[in-house]
Amino acid sequence: GNSVTQMEGPVTLSEEAFLTINCTYTATGYPSLFWYVQYPGEGLQLLLKATKADDKGSNKGFEATYRKETTSFHLEKGSVQVSDSAVYFCALNSGGSNYKLTFGKGTLLTVNP
Amino acid sequence: NAGVTQTPKFQVLKTGQSMTLQCAQDMNHNSMYWYRQDPGMGLRLIYYSASEGTTDKGEVPNGYNVSRLNKREFSLRLESAAPSQTSVYFCASRMTGGDQPQHFGDGTRLSIL
Repeated sequence: GNSVTQMEGPVTLSEEAFLTINCTYTATGYPSLFWYVQYPGEGLQLLLKATKADDKGSNKGFEATYRKETTSFHLEKGSVQVSDSAVYFCALNSGGSNYKLTFGKGTLLTVNP
Repeated sequence: NAGVTQTPKFQVLKTGQSMTLQCAQDMNHNSMYWYRQDPGMGLRLIYYSASEGTTDKGEVPNGYNVSRLNKREFSLRLESAAPSQTSVYFCASRMTGGDQPQHFGDGTRLSIL
């Protein structure tokens, strides 16, 4: 079946540091890939997405490139801020028109001033 | 602009009690979903409704029932609560078509004693 594996956290960085959160997946066919972010006490929000190989999703300074050859979708940001502290989830679309998402376990990021 | 609204936000139950979690969306979305979030487990799909009048089981449906009351509302019922159902529950909705993202509510934090 489909699965998503994220690097385990927590990840702690200083402000303005470079961020990478690794995500790899297993899926049949050609899934769409997503990063969601969850701020404390809130629900998940879509951060970015990519729908086909070599697509790059970007939003709020975050980027991720859909790499079919390595089945990866790593999240990067060049300079993190304290406000980026949150849990980040990698996910893939695992079901046709019903659009069921398969999530990774999440990575907690803490950015210190 | 309410989006996806979940009630209640917090609830404590005793083992064996019943409870209905409510979810409503005002975005005219066709599909709705119920997830549970447990530490280290990511989000797991309980039930979903691809459109009004239809419901289907997700990854972890045992112990739950759902009702798609109308296009706006999708409720989750625990008939006889068990401590293993202590979790944070999220409702989500999306528009049908393409790769429209899922929109999440802020969650219901449920404790079963």
